[in-house]
Amino acid sequence: ELKVEQNPLFLSMQEGKNYTIYCNYSTTSDRLYWYRQDPGKSLESLFVLLSNGAVKQEGRLMASLDTKARLSTLHITAAVHDLSATYFCAAANAGGTSYGKLTFGQGTILTVHP
Amino acid sequence: DGGITQSPKYLFRKEGQNVTLSCEQNLNHDAMYWYRQDPGQGLRLIYYSQIVNDFQKGDIAEGYSVSREKKESFPLTVTSAQKNPTAFYLCASTLTGAGNTIYFGEGSWLTVV
Repeated sequence: ELKVEQNPLFLSMQEGKNYTIYCNYSTTSDRLYWYRQDPGKSLESLFVLLSNGAVKQEGRLMASLDTKARLSTLHITAAVHDLSATYFCAAANAGGTSYGKLTFGQGTILTVHP
Repeated sequence: DGGITQSPKYLFRKEGQNVTLSCEQNLNHDAMYWYRQDPGQGLRLIYYSQIVNDFQKGDIAEGYSVSREKKESFPLTVTSAQKNPTAFYLCASTLTGAGNTIYFGEGSWLTVV
């Protein structure tokens, strides 16, 4: 059974600082997703990572995937208040053909303060 | 504009009632999904469908039912058998293929009164 764990679950950051959110998954996965959720809102897709060593960047966010370590990271550079949200990672079973069948982590609540 | 439309956004259910949440997409996606989110937690898969007239149970299907009579529509019924239905329900869809983005609707809040 695929399990996904994120840490930390709560992250309070100062503006301008860097930090990393970690996402570990328990069994082989060939797809790793990162989503952002604002309070009371739906999920916004951030990154889709498909292969070992994949790295994607958008603005102050950078995601990477190490399939051997079963680990994905979301790195935040020079945080700004607008990044305050809950961030989820989600993984799919390797070889599965149902592409939206995901197992989600618990979410990391990020708060950026002055 | 293309997207996923869920309705209603807020719904109150009395004990013993069945309620149906609507999900419509105009993205021409083959696969559709229903997830449930409880406060402070991640999402859990209820049901999914990869083609019309076919669907499979997810991890927490008990107390729910679905249908897929049209490609663009995947309604979810929360039955009276679901003992703790208060949650945020999210519908998602995607094209087949590993690299495709999975899109989510705006969600429906269901509260039991």
